[in-house]
Amino acid sequence: GAGVSQTPSNKVTEKGKYVELRCDPISGHTALYWYRQSLGQGPEFLIYFQGTGAADDSGLPNDRFFAVRPEGSVSTLKIQRTERGDSAVYLCASSPTGLAGGSGANVLTFGAGSRLTVL
Amino acid sequence: AQKVTQAQTEISVVEKEDVTLDCVYETRDTTYYLFWYKQPPSGELVFLIRRNSFDEQNEISGRYSWNFQKSTSSFNFTITASQVVDSAVYFCALRANTDKLIFGTGTRLQVFP
Repeated sequence: GAGVSQTPSNKVTEKGKYVELRCDPISGHTALYWYRQSLGQGPEFLIYFQGTGAADDSGLPNDRFFAVRPEGSVSTLKIQRTERGDSAVYLCASSPTGLAGGSGANVLTFGAGSRLTVL
Repeated sequence: AQKVTQAQTEISVVEKEDVTLDCVYETRDTTYYLFWYKQPPSGELVFLIRRNSFDEQNEISGRYSWNFQKSTSSFNFTITASQVVDSAVYFCALRANTDKLIFGTGTRLQVFP
């Protein structure tokens, strides 16, 4: 697609529920990133995919968070047993390649985000 | 460790004033990239500029200019003759020998008519 698409744009759920957030990157972009942005803060890195594999998941806060990218395109961020502290905007970004592709200069293009509210 | 510091939490100016947003970064890597992104009220992060560590030339793009100084580890952003449409949160970010893009906490700019 022309840009990075994220769905849903807004998700309200109850504490303890399971949620899935979807990201459709720019066509042809092999690198995909998930970030989390809390109110008044900068985006915080969660996980990075190069192709189908998670190259760096060091930012995932705990084992309730998991992300997949089975075909190297669309990615899903999954949050189990949601907690009120998970409320944030979850941002997805893509770039043509990651650092492994030879250019750390690649610009990340971000989607509009999925706002998650856990009641 | 890599870190980006944006000490200014919020700046308010009146239209047509010049404003400078500060960014200080930390990295031990000799090769790195610095970025500025704009986040308008709509929420989507918009790329503004990228600079690599070997290019210290200042850059100007219309009303925007950037001053990169390795000696002080700073990459400051100046908006000349600010406009109401410049109101947004601006993020400075660093990418060193890693695929992660590390963001600062952002500076909220409010431009009043």
